[in-house]
Amino acid sequence: DQQVKQNSPSLSVQEGRISILNCDYTNSMFDYFLWYKKYPAEGPTFLISISSIKDKNEDGRFTVFLNKSAKHLSLHIVPSQPGDSAVYFCAARAWGSNYQLIWGAGTKLIIKP
Amino acid sequence: KAGVTQTPRYLIKTRGQQVTLSCSPISGHRSVSWYQQTPGQGLQFLFEYFSETQRNKGNFPGRFSGRQFSNSRSEMNVSTLELGDSALYLCASTGRGVRLADQETQYFGPGTRLLVL
Repeated sequence: DQQVKQNSPSLSVQEGRISILNCDYTNSMFDYFLWYKKYPAEGPTFLISISSIKDKNEDGRFTVFLNKSAKHLSLHIVPSQPGDSAVYFCAARAWGSNYQLIWGAGTKLIIKP
Repeated sequence: KAGVTQTPRYLIKTRGQQVTLSCSPISGHRSVSWYQQTPGQGLQFLFEYFSETQRNKGNFPGRFSGRQFSNSRSEMNVSTLELGDSALYLCASTGRGVRLADQETQYFGPGTRLLVL
């Protein structure tokens, strides 16, 4: 069973516009969420995270929103830049899980010039 | 600080063979996790080692095994390779710093691309 779902395999956005990547989860014990970005031939790199006690976290152009009642989180990138073209993974940790992260399948973001 | 390193970067094997992959974590990190990435499947968790002990294990068959040494370097072994084992194998290390983000953030190596023929 997929506890973390990224239902859009790919997303295409015009440069300068907002990119919104979505992630849904099923486990109500998840208490910490992370977004990673991955370029081809490289390992994923940490982007931004959010604790379940918050509903928003910002870091420059990147903002993550958490809606606990809907079990949904989203990553907003404003404005989108060509270098943002990559695969984005969301991951979640359940409290008491010994720090194990559960990962989504990823969404490929393509920024069009 | 040097990042996570993985060797080899690329590997070609045939069915039935075995393979050993190596991962050196960031200096000071004691946790090493291994993942398998295949197209459309995201990152599938294999196992995590912390202070030479396997702390978590994913749902992979016993052909997949690992170990961690006292210097935190880790190896992953796959025996009796199958065609379906062709994938990118990623290793990640985690620190346990003061900030929550440091405790959870995994730093990934570039991966080992394994092709089984």
